[in-house]
Amino acid sequence: GAVVSQHPSRVICKSGTSVKIECRSLDFQATTMFWYRQFPKKSLMLMATSNEGSKATYEQGVEKDKFLINHASLTLSTLTVTSAHPEDSSFYICSAAPGLGWLGEQYFGPGTRLTVT
Amino acid sequence: AQSVAQPEDQVNVAEGNPLTVKCTYSVSGNPYLFWYVQYPNRGLQFLLKYITGDNLVKGSYGFEAEFNKSQTSFHLKKPSALVSDSALYFCALRPNAGKSTFGDGTTLTVKP
Repeated sequence: GAVVSQHPSRVICKSGTSVKIECRSLDFQATTMFWYRQFPKKSLMLMATSNEGSKATYEQGVEKDKFLINHASLTLSTLTVTSAHPEDSSFYICSAAPGLGWLGEQYFGPGTRLTVT
Repeated sequence: AQSVAQPEDQVNVAEGNPLTVKCTYSVSGNPYLFWYVQYPNRGLQFLLKYITGDNLVKGSYGFEAEFNKSQTSFHLKKPSALVSDSALYFCALRPNAGKSTFGDGTTLTVKP
């Protein structure tokens, strides 16, 4: 099956610093990638949708200047949390879909646990 | 607007018993429905999907789900639960070319 990786799996950073999370589709080309945030025992909150080569579409209430998303290639998207604060601590999950209009399942990465101290 | 509801936060069953995790949805147009499972500190894993065709869908690990259009439901079932099935389960709705809407999740606990 399709595999999506995320790196790092865990990261601890100090308040005020920036953190970059990578999401890669390993065996397929992902035209569309999604970034989610998940709080403990809670559902996934979609943060943004990114299409390769274009600007990400952010959900209402998500600060685009704080959560920078780049989808520079068909196999890589990055999420950068800028000037991180403790309230940004969360589990971040990416997912990928092979193409525009893809009706099938999304392929999820294993997630990245971010802790801001 | 589309929505997905998982009415139970928690489902407890004994090992060997059948299990059901409920999901209802609301959407205009065709309901593309999915079930995912999440183990602690992991991403979501795909279990099964309904796009079109037979209302009874079979998926991974012995799970199945029945699409019921009149009741707008897509309940997840398994005839005989295993302790290893204990996890967080999400129902999701994804219309054409669109983003998924996830339910709030149901924690399944299977006791030996």
